[in-house]
Amino acid sequence: DTEVTQTPKHLVMGMTNKKSLKCEQHMGHRAMYWYKQKAKKPPELMFVYSYEKLSINESVPSRFSPECPNSSLLNLHLHALQPEDSALYLCASSQDEGSNNEQFFGPGTRLTVL
Amino acid sequence: GQNIDQPTEMTATEGAIVQINCTYQTSGFNGLFWYQQHAGEAPTFLSYNVLDGLEEKGRFSSFLSRSKGYSYLLLKELQMKDSASYLCAVRAWETGGATNKLIFGTGTLLAVQP
Repeated sequence: DTEVTQTPKHLVMGMTNKKSLKCEQHMGHRAMYWYKQKAKKPPELMFVYSYEKLSINESVPSRFSPECPNSSLLNLHLHALQPEDSALYLCASSQDEGSNNEQFFGPGTRLTVL
Repeated sequence: GQNIDQPTEMTATEGAIVQINCTYQTSGFNGLFWYQQHAGEAPTFLSYNVLDGLEEKGRFSSFLSRSKGYSYLLLKELQMKDSASYLCAVRAWETGGATNKLIFGTGTLLAVQP
């Protein structure tokens, strides 16, 4: 199994809703990442988990709350989002944070905030 | 700060060769990646350079000069399916050296024409 899966593929939510994005990999990778990508822009790093511990938070607003329940799963909990948070949310994983390990990306969740 | 530049768009002809350039100014450089991203899809890994020189992988080659802060991706025997966005990404150590992260360039949208 050499893929990263993400659910849901599409999500529409109101500004008062609470929702969660899920990411899963079974490659034995110990680093997992959340990126945000706006249309025609490159991915922007949000969070990095290394060995199930948060190692990087790129000053992301608290309405985004990551969680890593185990080494295969990564969640992103969403609450009180704004319309400008509409974007493609990409999850990625790599063997670990160091060396020349490339990141494998999931297909993303396209989020629309109304 | 971190700065990565790529041309916004390029056009090339099927069967030809195209070179996509990337220049970067980063502190704590720790490797450069090239990713391909088709519209609406996740980025996929193409190549990695950490030492100066050329890395070849089939129709794709990538070159790095650390002293010049410069890389290029060379695509040979272009095919229509190569029409995509090509992202240059630099891995840079955080201040303090505890972790490293991937910083993406703006991406180059390549259109391959018959």
